[in-house]
Amino acid sequence: DQQVKQNSPSLSVQEGRISILNCDYTNSMFDYFLWYKKYPAEGPTFLISISSIKDKNEDGRFTVFLNKSAKHLSLHIVPSQPGDSAVYFCAASANTQGAQKLVFGQGTRLTINP
Amino acid sequence: GAGVSQSPSNKVTEKGKDVELRCDPISGHTALYWYRQSLGQGLEFLIYFQGNSAPDKSGLPSDRFSAERTGGSVSTLTIQRTQQEDSAVYLCASSLSTGIYGYTFGSGTRLTVV
Repeated sequence: DQQVKQNSPSLSVQEGRISILNCDYTNSMFDYFLWYKKYPAEGPTFLISISSIKDKNEDGRFTVFLNKSAKHLSLHIVPSQPGDSAVYFCAASANTQGAQKLVFGQGTRLTINP
Repeated sequence: GAGVSQSPSNKVTEKGKDVELRCDPISGHTALYWYRQSLGQGLEFLIYFQGNSAPDKSGLPSDRFSAERTGGSVSTLTIQRTQQEDSAVYLCASSLSTGIYGYTFGSGTRLTVV
C-alpha cells in the first residue's frame, strides 16, 4: 500500500530550465508535506515543506505547490543548476496519536544537463 | 555531535549471520527513527523512538528485526539470521520533540548480505 507515490523514477532537464517533480498521495489525513534531496552516499537533507493549510510555499529557487483536492504536490526548481542533480523524495505526515513519522515516496532522480 | 552518526558505513555479511547497526543521534534530540532504502525503493519506515515512550515498531518487517535505544541516546538496530532481501541502506534520523520538522538523517549503513 504505497501511500505516497512518485511515478517518475527519473527526470532530465537542461541547465537554466524549470524542473518539476511530482508526487501523489492517497491518505487524506496527511497534513504536512516535505521534500528531501539526497546525494549518493549521503543521508537525505530537508529541502522545503508545506502545511495542508497552504497551497504554495516558496524558498529561493524552490517552490512547492499543494493541490489537496487532487492529493497532489509538486516541487518546482527554477532555474535548474547542475548541483541540483540528486534524488528527490517527497514525504508526508499525519499526526496520528502523537506519532510523527514520515511516509516517503520512491524518489525521483533528477539530472541537470549543462 | 554535530550530526547524526551511523556505523559502520558499509557492512558485508554472510546469510544467516546477525548484524548490529549503530546510530548516534544529535545531542538533545529526543526522537530517533530508523528507515531503510532497498534498491529501487523509497524510504521504508522501520521503527520510531520518542523520549521514554514505548517505541513504534509498526514498520519492522519481521521478528528478526529489533532495535533498542539506551539512555535516550544511542540506538542499535539488530537483524538476526540475515537474509539476502535484508540488503539495503539503513538510515537513522533524529529530531527534537517537535518531530518531523527537524529530521536530520545520518549517511546510512549499506548492508550487503551474500
